[in-house]
Amino acid sequence: AQSVTQLGSHVSVSEGALVLLRCNYSSSVPPYLFWYVQYPNQGLQLLLKYTSAATLVKGINDFEAEFKKSETSFHLTKPSAHMSDAAEYFCAVTEGSGNTPLVFGKGTRLSVIA
Amino acid sequence: GAGVSQSPSNKVTEKGKDVELRCDPISGHTALYWYRQSLGQGLEFLIYFQGNSAPDKSGLPSDRFSAERTGGSVSTLTIQRTQQEDSAVYLCASSLGAGANVLTFGAGSRLTVL
Repeated sequence: AQSVTQLGSHVSVSEGALVLLRCNYSSSVPPYLFWYVQYPNQGLQLLLKYTSAATLVKGINDFEAEFKKSETSFHLTKPSAHMSDAAEYFCAVTEGSGNTPLVFGKGTRLSVIA
Repeated sequence: GAGVSQSPSNKVTEKGKDVELRCDPISGHTALYWYRQSLGQGLEFLIYFQGNSAPDKSGLPSDRFSAERTGGSVSTLTIQRTQQEDSAVYLCASSLGAGANVLTFGAGSRLTVL
């Protein structure tokens, strides 16, 4: 069964600094990978997804993630953090066959310091 | 409707009582998921319905939990003999199908068991 590990339950960065949120997955078959974001008091929404096309995926608000099969990783990055990026970020995986449910990691809370 | 609707938004119950949580997915979405979100635990997968296939119940934590989806649309999550550890936000999501399709989440039902 597929699974996701997000390293770091809480990450704090200064405004303007690089954001790096780590995600490692486990899947016995080629995966589809997703990052979702949950802003305070809001529902989850999609940031970006990887579906076996380009390994570098760009999402909303200048976020991007790179699929690295050799490292079983799908880390999320943003060159310059904004205060508005403060939120909970969830990495998720499903098997590329489409026959399995989407499984989420435990989330990483991002704080941005002025 | 335009989005995924969940009811009730808040439910306070006494230990030992049964509760029902309802999810009305986006029309035409064949896949429906239930997740549980509690502090420090991220999004815990509960159950997954995809079209007419048998549901994937592998995430249900105990036999006190059950869910059904009638007519391929509305779903009800039932928790029998509630315990305090059942307190959480229960999220429903739907998508056009499995695999790479993006999930649309409801606002959730917050359950508090006294």
